Amino acid sequence: DAGVTQSPTHLIKTRGQQVTLRCSPKSGHDTVSWYQQALGQGPQFIFQYYEEEERQRGNFPDRFSGHQFPNYSSELNVNALWLGDSALYLCASAEGNYGYTFGSGTRLTVV
Amino acid sequence: QQQVKQSPQSLIVQKGGISIINCAYENTAFDYFPWYQQFPGKGPALLIAIRPDVSEKKEGRFTISFNKSAKQFSLHIMDSQPGDSATYFCAASKEGFQKLVFGTGTRLLVSP
Repeated sequence: DAGVTQSPTHLIKTRGQQVTLRCSPKSGHDTVSWYQQALGQGPQFIFQYYEEEERQRGNFPDRFSGHQFPNYSSELNVNALWLGDSALYLCASAEGNYGYTFGSGTRLTVV
Repeated sequence: QQQVKQSPQSLIVQKGGISIINCAYENTAFDYFPWYQQFPGKGPALLIAIRPDVSEKKEGRFTISFNKSAKQFSLHIMDSQPGDSATYFCAASKEGFQKLVFGTGTRLLVSP
């Protein structure tokens, strides 16, 4: 079982650019959530997708958007990047309400 | 009301000792309390979790103690080993919502 797979593992972008991060959930998992983890902090919930719909959203601006595909994989898009968006972006998948499995994340650096 | 407060921020324990990390929550609607372990460069990994209908859950060397009236829960690591050195996060969520609210983390160092 490959678990949750995220790509790319590292990424460097310039302020103002746009970025797309990708996530393949664990086999059998139909729910995908995205979290942002700043250095030295706990993960912060961005949003969650189920059946290709955004089901819940955290306190993040509209610059953060996402998508879930029929195979349950997901993308996180961030527009108009600024320095404060530098963080580890984590994807987590689950089947049902509990027991989330996290990927290793994408380390985004905005310069 | 969505906060989960975690302490201490860092902890140094000798090999074989007991590591104790504490968390407190405000939202009484939370009904699922997991602990995650995170190594550098990796995502959080679920260690152990508890529901509020029990006061304690043990899995191997890891035990969660839960005090519903005080709205507190803690992680105890018995016989701590150098391989346990990592950052530990407590979290909480509400049934049907699935959003995890994380604590700020505790960096544990187990000295040989």
